[in-house]
Amino acid sequence: EAGVAQSPRYKIIEKRQSVAFWCNPISGHATLYWYQQILGQGPKLLIQFQNNGVVDDSQLPKDRFSAERLKGVDSTLKIQPAKLEDSAVYLCASSSLRPGQGTDTQYFGPGTRLTVL
Amino acid sequence: KNEVEQSPQNLTAQEGEFITINCSYSVGISALHWLQQHPGGGIVSLFMLSSGKKKHGRLIATINIQEKHSSLHITASHPRDSAVYICAVRYSYYGGSQGNLIFGKGTKLSVKP
Repeated sequence: EAGVAQSPRYKIIEKRQSVAFWCNPISGHATLYWYQQILGQGPKLLIQFQNNGVVDDSQLPKDRFSAERLKGVDSTLKIQPAKLEDSAVYLCASSSLRPGQGTDTQYFGPGTRLTVL
Repeated sequence: KNEVEQSPQNLTAQEGEFITINCSYSVGISALHWLQQHPGGGIVSLFMLSSGKKKHGRLIATINIQEKHSSLHITASHPRDSAVYICAVRYSYYGGSQGNLIFGKGTKLSVKP
């Protein structure tokens, strides 16, 4: 079974530039998560999708971050414009969690390491 | 405020030693996860617990619901166990959202040969 795929693996940009990350979850997984992990900290949830709908985006800085999962499969996360404090690893995860289920294992992608100069 | 606290933050051990990493949380949970993160960012789920104890190879995870505490043990540690170990919990209620995990900051383990 193929795992969660992410690209690019690394990205270096200057502040105020734009950047986009792509995630392909495990086939059949309805739930997709984007996390931000700043160096030395645990991951922080940015947004959770159930199929192509947003379940939780309460911690997403919506003035600069956006995400979509148009067909309920792949997802993109965009930052526009980037700030220095956005330097982090952006992790995508998926699970087969469905409405009414209490909990499920999340499978993580390798992450995209973003450096903002 | 919902928090997940891990200890120690950093741990250095000699190969073969028995290792314990601790995790405590503040309110009722529906599940607790132990995750392993290797350099380069990849995260692997090790255990998902809601009660009792689970064992996989040299790894053992326990949880005490009453004390709101979990431990991850590694027996006969090996240099390949070197990684960051992260505890994450799913609270019974978190803003009404389903499936959210709250992560600890991780414990960086280094096992020397």
